[in-house]
Amino acid sequence: DAKTTQPPSMDCAEGRAANLPCNHSTISGNEYVYWYRQIHSQGPQYIIHGLKNNETNEMASLIITEDRKSSTLILPHATLRDTAVYYCIVRSQGGGADGLTFGKGTHLIIQP
Amino acid sequence: DTGVSQDPRHKITKRGQNVTFRCDPISEHNRLYWYRQTLGQGPEFLTYFQNEAQLEKSRLLSDRFSAERPKGSFSTLEIQRTEQGDSAMYLCASSLGATPNTEAFFGQGTRLTVV
Repeated sequence: DAKTTQPPSMDCAEGRAANLPCNHSTISGNEYVYWYRQIHSQGPQYIIHGLKNNETNEMASLIITEDRKSSTLILPHATLRDTAVYYCIVRSQGGGADGLTFGKGTHLIIQP
Repeated sequence: DTGVSQDPRHKITKRGQNVTFRCDPISEHNRLYWYRQTLGQGPEFLTYFQNEAQLEKSRLLSDRFSAERPKGSFSTLEIQRTEQGDSAMYLCASSLGATPNTEAFFGQGTRLTVV
């Protein structure tokens, strides 16, 4: 069963910040939020993950709400190469697929 | 390149033939995962290994599918008597450690077409 809910598609203008939402209202205290993206015909690419604190790396920022029921992935200055399907995953210890279960993701389209 | 490597990148086979794919994980990564992805869907879990031990198999992994990781390094995924429904991208991923705080890295996949 899907643990996350994401919009199927989003548009964003090039150069703007892309904010991708994810709802995970049934998340447990020991479950991490992971984001991957998949550019057409390539393997998924790891972006970022977090437990409860906001996280930032060279690719993106992850904002997790205080109640941990939702999160937002932020690409600060989107480029055309950021067009991809973005997957939000709630990952726990053990369980099916070792907790790494993908849904359908959000297809982000960056417009020139 | 020190990422996850998969071979071949593309494979076209006739229905009924056997095929084998190889995955070389990132060095020293003890966990290795196989996924399958069909058009328009997210990757679906098939199986994973902790070192050489196969710890879990999905119901998607029918008895025509077998995966091995004999020395805890590279892994192979074999499909016997291929069917058209086996056409998909087969993805391999690896991670270091067994906690949910360790990211998994994916290879570029092997695209199988059964004709």
